[in-house]
Amino acid sequence: DAKTTQPTSMDCAEGRAANLPCNHSTISGNEYVYWYRQIHSQGPQYIIHGLKNNETNEMASLIITEDRKSSTLILPHATLRDTAVYYCIVRPTWAGNMLTFGGGTRLMVKP
Amino acid sequence: EAGVTQSPTHLIKTRGQQATLRCSPISGHTSVYWYQQALGLGLQFLLWYDEGEERNRGNFPPRFSGRQFPNYSSELNVNALELEDSALYLCASSYLTGGLETQYFGPGTRLLVL
Repeated sequence: DAKTTQPTSMDCAEGRAANLPCNHSTISGNEYVYWYRQIHSQGPQYIIHGLKNNETNEMASLIITEDRKSSTLILPHATLRDTAVYYCIVRPTWAGNMLTFGGGTRLMVKP
Repeated sequence: EAGVTQSPTHLIKTRGQQATLRCSPISGHTSVYWYQQALGLGLQFLLWYDEGEERNRGNFPPRFSGRQFPNYSSELNVNALELEDSALYLCASSYLTGGLETQYFGPGTRLLVL
């Protein structure tokens, strides 16, 4: 599986956009980029995933570079409830692929 | 749409006892994954069930076992509990559509072994 590199921690002001980067330079052609977050050791929450096009849903936007070696998760208007550890994962999408979380980025949203 | 549910939320056992953890997947999901997350550590894959069959297991001893029922719910059994089994146990469910599979997690069961 491809590995990912994320900053250990980031701060963001409430109401501002939070941009969380992820490097995945060894990603394979059949691997998707997935983002999850985990709040206070609750169950991880799925956020978004993409292959090569930018994606947007009600929670966030995912921007993937053209060479697919990096991506950015964007929370457009961060709130205090977005404070969590965010995990970037690259994986094939067929069934049976277990998730492996690295260290993630601890995002602190401040008032 | 109801999410993945797990029970109990907390479980306290003593060393040597057995623990049973339960998971109900999202309606329509046929796969269930079990993960262990020890304090401060990442997810460790335990088991994968699909259509009632165990499809894969992680690097855990045989005292970790489980099953999936006809309604796709699942239970994880941990026998002969050891202190290091204390962890958050997470269940995730998924279904395959258009070749894509996304796992959705439940809130977890926090097991404490004394």
